[in-house]
Amino acid sequence: QSALTQPASVSGSPGQSITISCTGTSSDVGGYNYVSWYQQHPGKAPKLLIYEVSNRPSGVSNRFSGSKSDNTASLTISGLQAEDEADYYCSSYSTTSTLVVFGGGTKLTVL
Amino acid sequence: EVQLVESGGGLVQPGGSLRLSCAASGFTFSSYWVTWVRQAPGKGLEWVANIKQDGSEMYYVDSVKGRFTISRDNAKNSLFLQMNSLRAEDTAVYYCARRRGSYCFDYWGQGTLVTVSS
Repeated sequence: QSALTQPASVSGSPGQSITISCTGTSSDVGGYNYVSWYQQHPGKAPKLLIYEVSNRPSGVSNRFSGSKSDNTASLTISGLQAEDEADYYCSSYSTTSTLVVFGGGTKLTVL
Repeated sequence: EVQLVESGGGLVQPGGSLRLSCAASGFTFSSYWVTWVRQAPGKGLEWVANIKQDGSEMYYVDSVKGRFTISRDNAKNSLFLQMNSLRAEDTAVYYCARRRGSYCFDYWGQGTLVTVSS
């Protein structure tokens, strides 16, 4: 069982927006602004999309945005495109013995 | 261009050992924390271990403490993971990744598969 809770799957049509939630506790998501999001296509390495809750690395589309409220972080993808179909993982710094915790992943299907 | 290339994976029997390597290039390796993250077949990501720039601090997930050792050779721009007393549940693709200061991982290798089975 993963430390952070994500929905197993979400779906949307091209052009629409979707939001993926990531729920933790005050020991991780709620306590620090160290939430990150990753995109992983099948058979590929993860790619960093968002860091420190809402910052995008250079080269990441501005269709990806992040936010946080209390113990829940969110990733929003606007203007869905076929190539956005992938698995998405959140992660956070944690004060538990596990320094970095991940969510279980969310499979995004573009209809 | 930042590159991380893992090697050393393979099939090993339960109780056996394996040493993974990760060759880094395209950045000043000695200036960054680096990490190992694994992914069991069909499962999610799991952080395994971190090591500080100078190798003076290492952190591990509880499930590998006492069995795995992370190390680095800054002169050779290389990261290692010595895995002992391997179990079936250690079967996974192991990724090395560069860690930013905010506990996120901005560059990843392509991964190396470790299979623990008799």
